[in-house]
Amino acid sequence: EVQLVESGGVVVQPGGSLRLSCVVSGFTFDDYGMHWVRQAPGKGLEWIGLISWDGDRTYYLDSVEGRFTITRDNSKNSLYLQMNSLRTEDTALYYCAKQDKDDERLVDHWGQGTQVTVSS
Amino acid sequence: DIQLTQSPSLLSASVGDRVTITCRASQDISSYLVWYQQKPGKAPKLLIYVASTLRSGVPSRFSDSGSGTEFTLTISSLQPEDFATYYCQQLKSYPLTFGGGTKVEIK
Repeated sequence: EVQLVESGGVVVQPGGSLRLSCVVSGFTFDDYGMHWVRQAPGKGLEWIGLISWDGDRTYYLDSVEGRFTITRDNSKNSLYLQMNSLRTEDTALYYCAKQDKDDERLVDHWGQGTQVTVSS
Repeated sequence: DIQLTQSPSLLSASVGDRVTITCRASQDISSYLVWYQQKPGKAPKLLIYVASTLRSGVPSRFSDSGSGTEFTLTISSLQPEDFATYYCQQLKSYPLTFGGGTKVEIK
Protein backbone atom coordinates (compact mmCIF):
# COMPACT_ATOMS: atom_id res chain seq x y z
CA GLU A 1 0.00 0.00 0.00
CA VAL A 2 1.31 3.41 -0.97
CA GLN A 3 1.80 5.67 2.05
CA LEU A 4 3.09 9.23 2.29
CA VAL A 5 3.52 10.81 5.70
CA GLU A 6 4.33 14.49 6.03
CA SER A 7 5.81 16.12 9.10
CA GLY A 8 7.45 19.33 10.24
CA GLY A 9 4.51 21.72 10.14
CA VAL A 10 4.51 24.25 13.00
CA VAL A 11 3.71 27.86 13.80
CA VAL A 12 6.50 30.14 12.54
CA GLN A 13 6.96 33.90 12.42
CA PRO A 14 6.95 35.86 9.17
CA GLY A 15 10.41 35.85 7.66
CA GLY A 16 11.24 32.55 9.29
CA SER A 17 12.28 29.23 7.80
CA LEU A 18 10.95 25.72 8.02
CA ARG A 19 11.70 22.33 6.49
CA LEU A 20 8.92 19.86 5.82
CA SER A 21 9.58 16.17 5.34
CA CYS A 22 7.65 13.40 3.67
CA VAL A 23 8.52 9.77 4.25
CA VAL A 24 7.08 7.28 1.80
CA SER A 25 6.54 3.53 1.64
CA GLY A 26 4.79 0.99 -0.53
CA PHE A 27 6.50 1.88 -3.79
CA THR A 28 9.99 2.25 -5.24
CA PHE A 29 10.64 5.86 -4.31
CA ASP A 30 13.49 6.52 -6.72
CA ASP A 31 11.33 5.54 -9.71
CA TYR A 32 8.94 8.45 -9.21
CA GLY A 33 8.83 12.20 -9.30
CA MET A 34 7.27 13.87 -6.29
CA HIS A 35 5.13 16.97 -5.80
CA TRP A 36 4.22 19.42 -3.07
CA VAL A 37 0.73 20.94 -3.10
CA ARG A 38 -0.78 23.25 -0.49
CA GLN A 39 -4.23 24.35 0.57
CA ALA A 40 -4.86 27.51 2.57
CA PRO A 41 -7.65 27.30 5.16
CA GLY A 42 -11.01 27.15 3.40
CA LYS A 43 -9.38 27.66 0.01
CA GLY A 44 -8.52 25.62 -3.07
CA LEU A 45 -5.51 23.58 -4.04
CA GLU A 46 -2.27 25.25 -5.11
CA TRP A 47 0.54 23.32 -6.77
CA ILE A 48 3.93 24.32 -5.35
CA GLY A 49 6.44 22.24 -7.25
CA LEU A 50 7.85 18.98 -8.53
CA ILE A 51 11.16 17.16 -8.28
CA SER A 52 12.11 14.48 -10.80
CA TRP A 53 12.81 10.91 -9.76
CA ASP A 54 16.57 11.52 -9.69
CA GLY A 55 16.44 15.03 -8.26
CA ASP A 56 17.98 16.53 -11.38
CA ARG A 57 14.97 18.61 -12.35
CA THR A 58 12.73 20.83 -10.28
CA TYR A 59 9.81 23.07 -11.20
CA TYR A 60 8.15 25.66 -8.97
CA LEU A 61 5.18 27.97 -8.62
CA ASP A 62 6.33 31.49 -9.45
CA SER A 63 5.44 32.91 -6.04
CA VAL A 64 7.66 30.42 -4.18
CA GLU A 65 10.59 30.17 -6.58
CA GLY A 66 13.72 31.43 -4.85
CA ARG A 67 12.14 30.99 -1.40
CA PHE A 68 11.22 27.29 -1.45
CA THR A 69 13.46 24.39 -2.43
CA ILE A 70 12.41 20.81 -3.05
CA THR A 71 14.96 18.07 -2.47
CA ARG A 72 14.91 14.35 -1.95
CA ASP A 73 17.02 11.63 -0.41
CA ASN A 74 16.35 8.39 -2.23
CA SER A 75 18.37 6.40 0.28
CA LYS A 76 15.89 7.46 2.98
CA ASN A 77 12.68 7.34 0.92
CA SER A 78 12.26 10.97 1.86
CA LEU A 79 11.12 14.18 0.21
CA TYR A 80 11.75 17.63 1.63
CA LEU A 81 10.45 21.16 1.24
CA GLN A 82 12.75 23.89 2.54
CA MET A 83 10.78 27.08 3.02
CA ASN A 84 12.55 30.40 3.64
CA SER A 85 11.36 33.99 3.97
CA LEU A 86 7.92 32.75 4.98
CA ARG A 87 4.92 35.03 4.57
CA THR A 88 1.50 34.98 6.18
CA GLU A 89 0.05 33.91 2.82
CA ASP A 90 2.12 30.70 3.02
CA THR A 91 -0.17 29.50 5.82
CA ALA A 92 -1.66 26.26 4.54
CA LEU A 93 -1.91 22.51 4.79
CA TYR A 94 1.03 21.12 2.81
CA TYR A 95 0.62 17.83 0.98
CA CYS A 96 3.32 15.70 -0.55
CA ALA A 97 2.19 13.64 -3.49
CA LYS A 98 3.50 10.94 -5.78
CA GLN A 99 3.53 11.06 -9.56
CA ASP A 100 1.60 8.59 -11.69
CA LYS A 101 3.61 5.67 -13.09
CA ASP A 102 3.51 7.05 -16.64
CA ASP A 103 3.45 10.84 -16.28
CA GLU A 104 5.51 12.81 -13.77
CA ARG A 105 3.10 15.75 -13.99
CA LEU A 106 0.12 13.67 -12.79
CA VAL A 107 -0.42 13.04 -9.09
CA ASP A 108 -1.98 9.71 -8.18
CA HIS A 109 -1.40 9.45 -4.42
CA TRP A 110 -1.41 12.06 -1.67
CA GLY A 111 -0.35 12.23 1.94
CA GLN A 112 -2.65 13.60 4.62
CA GLY A 113 -0.78 16.89 4.92
CA THR A 114 1.07 18.88 7.56
CA GLN A 115 -0.15 22.27 8.77
CA VAL A 116 2.09 25.33 8.46
CA THR A 117 0.97 28.55 10.14
CA VAL A 118 2.90 31.76 9.54
CA SER A 119 1.94 34.28 12.19
CA SER A 120 3.51 36.74 14.56
CA ASP B 1 0.92 30.88 -16.37
CA ILE B 2 -2.25 29.08 -17.47
CA GLN B 3 -5.34 30.13 -15.51
CA LEU B 4 -8.23 27.71 -14.97
CA THR B 5 -11.69 29.03 -14.18
CA GLN B 6 -14.27 26.62 -12.80
CA SER B 7 -17.99 27.24 -12.75
CA PRO B 8 -20.10 27.21 -10.81
CA SER B 9 -18.15 27.59 -7.56
CA LEU B 10 -21.13 26.14 -5.65
CA LEU B 11 -23.68 23.71 -6.98
CA SER B 12 -26.74 22.53 -5.05
CA ALA B 13 -28.17 19.25 -6.29
CA SER B 14 -30.21 16.25 -5.25
CA VAL B 15 -29.42 12.55 -5.30
CA GLY B 16 -30.08 11.25 -8.80
CA ASP B 17 -29.47 14.59 -10.52
CA ARG B 18 -27.21 14.95 -13.53
CA VAL B 19 -24.48 17.42 -12.64
CA THR B 20 -22.09 19.30 -14.91
CA ILE B 21 -19.03 21.31 -13.88
CA THR B 22 -17.14 23.48 -16.34
CA CYS B 23 -13.43 24.27 -16.40
CA ARG B 24 -12.11 26.93 -18.79
CA ALA B 25 -8.43 27.44 -19.55
CA SER B 26 -6.84 30.78 -20.40
CA GLN B 27 -5.05 29.16 -23.37
CA ASP B 28 -5.15 25.96 -25.37
CA ILE B 29 -4.16 23.00 -23.21
CA SER B 30 -5.17 20.29 -25.69
CA SER B 31 -6.40 17.36 -23.56
CA TYR B 32 -3.99 17.90 -20.67
CA LEU B 33 -6.66 18.29 -18.02
CA VAL B 34 -7.38 16.11 -14.99
CA TRP B 35 -10.06 16.08 -12.30
CA TYR B 36 -9.84 15.50 -8.55
CA GLN B 37 -12.46 15.02 -5.87
CA GLN B 38 -11.87 16.22 -2.32
CA LYS B 39 -14.03 15.52 0.71
CA PRO B 40 -13.80 17.58 3.91
CA GLY B 41 -10.71 16.82 5.95
CA LYS B 42 -9.36 14.43 3.33
CA ALA B 43 -6.67 14.56 0.66
CA PRO B 44 -7.81 14.92 -2.94
CA LYS B 45 -8.52 11.81 -4.98
CA LEU B 46 -7.77 11.47 -8.69
CA LEU B 47 -10.90 10.80 -10.74
CA ILE B 48 -10.14 11.33 -14.42
CA TYR B 49 -6.86 11.97 -16.16
CA VAL B 50 -5.51 12.98 -19.54
CA ALA B 51 -7.67 12.06 -22.54
CA SER B 52 -10.73 11.39 -20.38
CA THR B 53 -9.34 8.25 -18.78
CA LEU B 54 -11.32 7.14 -15.75
CA ARG B 55 -9.05 6.06 -12.93
CA SER B 56 -9.43 2.44 -11.87
CA GLY B 57 -12.15 2.09 -9.26
CA VAL B 58 -13.90 5.35 -10.11
CA PRO B 59 -17.58 4.76 -10.92
CA SER B 60 -18.64 5.07 -14.55
CA ARG B 61 -21.17 7.77 -13.67
CA PHE B 62 -18.19 10.15 -13.79
CA SER B 63 -17.09 11.31 -17.22
CA ASP B 64 -15.48 14.31 -18.81
CA SER B 65 -15.28 15.91 -22.20
CA GLY B 66 -13.61 18.78 -23.97
CA SER B 67 -10.30 19.86 -25.35
CA GLY B 68 -8.52 23.10 -26.01
CA THR B 69 -9.90 25.63 -23.56
CA GLU B 70 -13.26 24.25 -22.41
CA PHE B 71 -13.86 21.10 -20.42
CA THR B 72 -16.73 19.57 -18.48
CA LEU B 73 -16.99 17.01 -15.72
CA THR B 74 -20.33 15.21 -15.63
CA ILE B 75 -21.81 13.05 -12.92
CA SER B 76 -24.69 11.23 -14.61
CA SER B 77 -26.65 10.39 -11.46
CA LEU B 78 -25.44 12.01 -8.28
CA GLN B 79 -24.96 9.65 -5.34
CA PRO B 80 -24.69 10.53 -1.64
CA GLU B 81 -20.94 9.85 -1.64
CA ASP B 82 -20.40 12.34 -4.49
CA PHE B 83 -21.06 15.40 -2.36
CA ALA B 84 -17.61 16.94 -2.33
CA THR B 85 -15.45 19.60 -3.93
CA TYR B 86 -14.12 19.01 -7.43
CA TYR B 87 -10.97 20.52 -8.91
CA CYS B 88 -9.59 20.57 -12.42
CA GLN B 89 -5.83 20.82 -13.04
CA GLN B 90 -3.90 21.45 -16.22
CA LEU B 91 -0.81 19.43 -17.05
CA LYS B 92 0.10 21.29 -20.23
CA SER B 93 2.85 23.46 -18.79
CA TYR B 94 4.54 24.44 -15.55
CA PRO B 95 3.38 25.69 -13.12
CA LEU B 96 0.66 23.03 -12.96
CA THR B 97 -2.33 25.13 -12.00
CA PHE B 98 -5.63 24.11 -10.43
CA GLY B 99 -9.05 25.57 -10.93
CA GLY B 100 -10.70 27.27 -7.97
CA GLY B 101 -12.93 24.31 -7.19
CA THR B 102 -16.64 23.49 -7.36
CA LYS B 103 -18.41 22.45 -4.20
CA VAL B 104 -21.32 20.10 -4.80
CA GLU B 105 -23.72 20.28 -1.89
CA ILE B 106 -27.00 18.65 -1.02
CA LYS B 107 -30.02 20.63 -2.15
